[in-house]
Amino acid sequence: AQKITQTQPGMFVQEKEAVTLDCTYDTSDQSYGLFWYKQPSSGEMIFLIYQGSYDEQNATEGRYSLNFQKARKSANLVISASQLGDSAMYFCAMREGPGSGGSNYKLTFGKGTLLTVNP
Amino acid sequence: GAGVSQSPSNKVTEKGKDVELRCDPISGHTALYWYRQSLGQGLEFLIYFQGNSAPDKSGLPSDRFSAERTGGSVSTLTIQRTQQEDSAVYLCASSLRRSGYGYTFGSGTRLTVV
Repeated sequence: AQKITQTQPGMFVQEKEAVTLDCTYDTSDQSYGLFWYKQPSSGEMIFLIYQGSYDEQNATEGRYSLNFQKARKSANLVISASQLGDSAMYFCAMREGPGSGGSNYKLTFGKGTLLTVNP
Repeated sequence: GAGVSQSPSNKVTEKGKDVELRCDPISGHTALYWYRQSLGQGLEFLIYFQGNSAPDKSGLPSDRFSAERTGGSVSTLTIQRTQQEDSAVYLCASSLRRSGYGYTFGSGTRLTVV
């Protein structure tokens, strides 16, 4: 079974509107971390936001927020007020096991969602 | 350097040739990771370095793949006798220490085997 599932190969959004990119995950660990990365056409993977499994509040970073629904094993990325520069591939990723102590460092990535922001 | 630097950015090679991909991590970062991104796929883990040693090589797909790191800095990923299925983007990342909280990626090397 896929550990990270991103069901939207492509999404379109109008500039200044909000968009939600879906991510579901599968793990039996109680402690884990969820990440979102942005990959523009330049190829670099840019870290956006992180949510720990024990974090009670949804993570937010500027225009990015992570809608964490633990019971549903869902970690959707919400981008508010989309900008043309947001057009890129977006990847959801998971670290299984605790992050502290550095014993778990491998990230498992989904296949990504290509977001296009229209003017 | 200010970021993770990878070279070359693009490499086209003939099937059967050997290639070397280079990664220059952020200065002072002791941990270094290689990932591979095949077309239409997410990233897959290849290898992790702590200093010059590689305690985790579990993601290397075959014995044609090897990597080394010297001086606790630059790393080279070598693919021998390249095959068409090796065509992918190879991404390097580094972190200050072994990290479960993510790391900084480079822009990758796009390898095309023809």
